[in-house]
Formats: sequence, structure tokens, C-alpha cells
Amino acid sequence: KAGVTQTPRYLIKTRGQQVTLSCSPISGHRSVSWYQQTPGQGLQFLFEYFSETQRNKGNFPGRFSGRQFSNSRSEMNVSTLELGDSALYLCASSLLEGREQYFGPGTRLTVT
Amino acid sequence: AQKVTQAQTEISVVEKEDVTLDCVYETRDTTYYLFWYKQPPSGELVFLIRRNSFDEQNEISGRYSWNFQKSTSSFNFTITASQVVDSAVYFCALNQGGKLIFGQGTELSVKP
Repeated sequence: KAGVTQTPRYLIKTRGQQVTLSCSPISGHRSVSWYQQTPGQGLQFLFEYFSETQRNKGNFPGRFSGRQFSNSRSEMNVSTLELGDSALYLCASSLLEGREQYFGPGTRLTVT
Repeated sequence: AQKVTQAQTEISVVEKEDVTLDCVYETRDTTYYLFWYKQPPSGELVFLIRRNSFDEQNEISGRYSWNFQKSTSSFNFTITASQVVDSAVYFCALNQGGKLIFGQGTELSVKP
């Protein structure tokens, strides 16, 4: 089976812009989660979607949003980018809650 | 509150040495899942093991072994006869309702 894929792999944006990141889960996985990784804060949970519904949300401002489509693919959007949003954004998919999550290669976002 | 602590920020060993990575967790749940992930320099998180709270049996997979002790809320990871390819950041994580709570990670450097 193909693994989790994320596009794009690298992005450079300017403060105030918005960005959309895409994630395709492993075939058959209906749960998709997003994480932000920074040197200072480590790995932090953003949100989780299951069957197009957001089930969990982390402690991030409303500028961070996401959605999941009927084919389980997911997107996350960050509006009004700030310098502090520079990070590696990781997407993970899972078969069921509590099961292992498989991660994609990540999208490295740089905000200038 | 749920929390994962990896007290060792960095560990450096010489090839063929054994090394143990510590993980201590906090949770009020009676049913929970613990994980270890490896993050090599490429950045992608690689799933290593999942353990549920009802299974305290130790696990061995090749040079890797895990020791889960509920009495001390610990889930430690040992690499026997370490190799240069083991150099990576290792994360311990706790599953809370579908989201992973990660420790800060331990950077392992194996020198030839």
C-alpha cells in the first residue's frame, strides 16, 4: 500500500498570506490527523477528522482550519500567516482510534 | 492532564553500545495506548511500536525491546548493539481520544 502523501513538500509564504496543505491517507484509513512540529514547542496536535467530521481539535487559534473529503483526503488551511507559523506540518492517518498513526513526510512551511 | 516526559534530551553512544531511552507518562484513563516513533534526519515519523494499557508484556523486535511498567508509568525503549543507522530523534507518545500527545523527544547519536 502507498503511504501517506503530503503536498507540497516545501512552501515559502509571506506574513498575512494564507496557505492550504494537502494530505492523502493510506488507502482504507478514515482517520486523518494533523500535527505541527517546531523546535520550541515540539510536536503539537492540530485536529483530527474521521468520515468528514472533525472529532478533535488542539489548542490552536481559529486561523488554523481543516476539512476532510469523502475520499478521506484532507486539507488544512492557515489564514493570515504569522512568522511563528513556520514549522513542519505533519499529517497522519489511522485505521481506527487508538491504533497506530502513520505519518507522511510533512510540509515544511516558512513564513517570511 | 495527560503528559509524556522524555527526560533525556540528547544521548550519544559509540556503535555496539546498548542504550535505553526513558519515557514516563501521566494519564487518568484506565485504557490508553502508548507508542514509540523514530524521526530520522529526513523528517518523516516512523512508527515503531504500540502498546495498550492492559498488556504489560515486554516486547522484543530484533535489536529493539520495550519495557512497559504501569506501576511506575514508564514505557522505556532499549536498543541493543546500537548502529549508526539508529541515529535519530525518538518520540514516545500517549493516545488521548484519537490524538497523540508526544514527549519532547530524545536525540540519539550513534558514533562509529
